[in-house]
Amino acid sequence: QSALTQPPSASGSPGQSVTISCTGTSRDIGGYKFVSWFQQHPGKAPKLIIYEGTKRPSGVPDRFSGAKSGNTASLTVSGLQADDEADYYCSSYGGSNWQVFGGGTKLTVL
Amino acid sequence: EVQLVESGGGLVQPGRSLRLSCAASGFTFGDYAMHWVRQAPGKGLEWVSGMNYNRVDVGYAPAVKGRFTISRDHAKNSLYLHMNSLRVEDTAFYYCVRDMSPFTYGRTFDYWGQGTLVTVSS
Repeated sequence: QSALTQPPSASGSPGQSVTISCTGTSRDIGGYKFVSWFQQHPGKAPKLIIYEGTKRPSGVPDRFSGAKSGNTASLTVSGLQADDEADYYCSSYGGSNWQVFGGGTKLTVL
Repeated sequence: EVQLVESGGGLVQPGRSLRLSCAASGFTFGDYAMHWVRQAPGKGLEWVSGMNYNRVDVGYAPAVKGRFTISRDHAKNSLYLHMNSLRVEDTAFYYCVRDMSPFTYGRTFDYWGQGTLVTVSS
């Protein structure tokens, strides 16, 4: 099982939108609906922001949205704010009691 | 309030063993699958191991299979990770993580502890 593929970095100006991709295979993202996204600020534990591809936990702003098509998932952050600057990780269930993460994307707010 | 508090990290020599503990509170521990996720300093997240609520479904990442063992004690509301034959590359923060929904496995990780640092070095 290989890690999911994310771009190492992304950036945008305040108020803009940015989309981060996460590519897997038919054995993980393409095979299950359990795709999640996590936000991690420096020195902090990760925080769940999207689950089951498109759902937001209570308290997560609707500026964060998720999508999935085939073996690729994506996270869009709209109306970028300074506090959105963080590392973002995708994850997927991979069958056989496996879980797999992406390598992470560092989002910079210019 | 859901709380997950890890303990047991520290400095250990290569080849030695260590046991991590996670004390859970604020929810019915016995109803939820639990996982360990690690993060080497400055690196990304890596799922290590998971166990469902009734201990039937258990999974390990290839990098730790055969060396690490996950277990849980419902009477003590605790999750454990027994780590044997530790390697330098096992150096990381280890997070205790809860699966989102009761009686399911692999849905997502909704609550995370603050992590405990394991350093493997001679």
